[in-house]
Amino acid sequence: AQKITQTQPGMFVQEKEAVTLDCTYDTSDPSYGLFWYKQPSSGEMIFLIYQGSYDQQNATEGRYSLNFQKARKSANLVISASQLGDSAMYFCAMREVRGNNDMRFGAGTRLTVKP
Amino acid sequence: EPEVTQTPSHQVTQMGQEVILRCVPISNHLYFYWYRQILGQKVEFLVSFYNNEISEKSEIFDDQFSVERPDGSNFTLKIRSTKLEDSAMYFCASILQETNEKLFFGSGTQLSVL
Repeated sequence: AQKITQTQPGMFVQEKEAVTLDCTYDTSDPSYGLFWYKQPSSGEMIFLIYQGSYDQQNATEGRYSLNFQKARKSANLVISASQLGDSAMYFCAMREVRGNNDMRFGAGTRLTVKP
Repeated sequence: EPEVTQTPSHQVTQMGQEVILRCVPISNHLYFYWYRQILGQKVEFLVSFYNNEISEKSEIFDDQFSVERPDGSNFTLKIRSTKLEDSAMYFCASILQETNEKLFFGSGTQLSVL
């Protein structure tokens, strides 16, 4: 069974600094995808970044990068040059290829960017 | 970018009433999902749907819940007799095929059971 763990219920970062949001996962499926979503106070789920289990390089999307350490089963999100608009809930999620393709989420981390 | 559409954005109902939450997935997508998020908590999987049948459901998805794809475009979640604890944001999502692509989420329906 899938399990996603986000150990930081809340994080603070100064504007323009970088921040790392932690995510670890557990799966027996060798093929899986890891995702990060942002949920602002308005409630919608905004896709940020994806990492496949067989990808050799860490995924990057603009200011977002995913620090993928497969042996440690971690998929931390790094946000560089934080902006006030980055304040939101951030969810790590995983889908297994052999599973039923549902996506399972971690408990989330609330990021607050301070001016 | 194509969107998943959910209606209504907010629904208020009395305990014990039936509610139907509506979703229009992206037109060529084949896999459909419902998730819920109780205020301040994690996003929880409810059910997945493929080829006109449920492919997986969680323990939350009991006999009070049902899903339907009544026509080629709509995907609905019905709660037969709502309870206070059903108050949550309900997200519909869809995906084209069985790959490790992202799920496309709708903007959610906030259900309030009084």
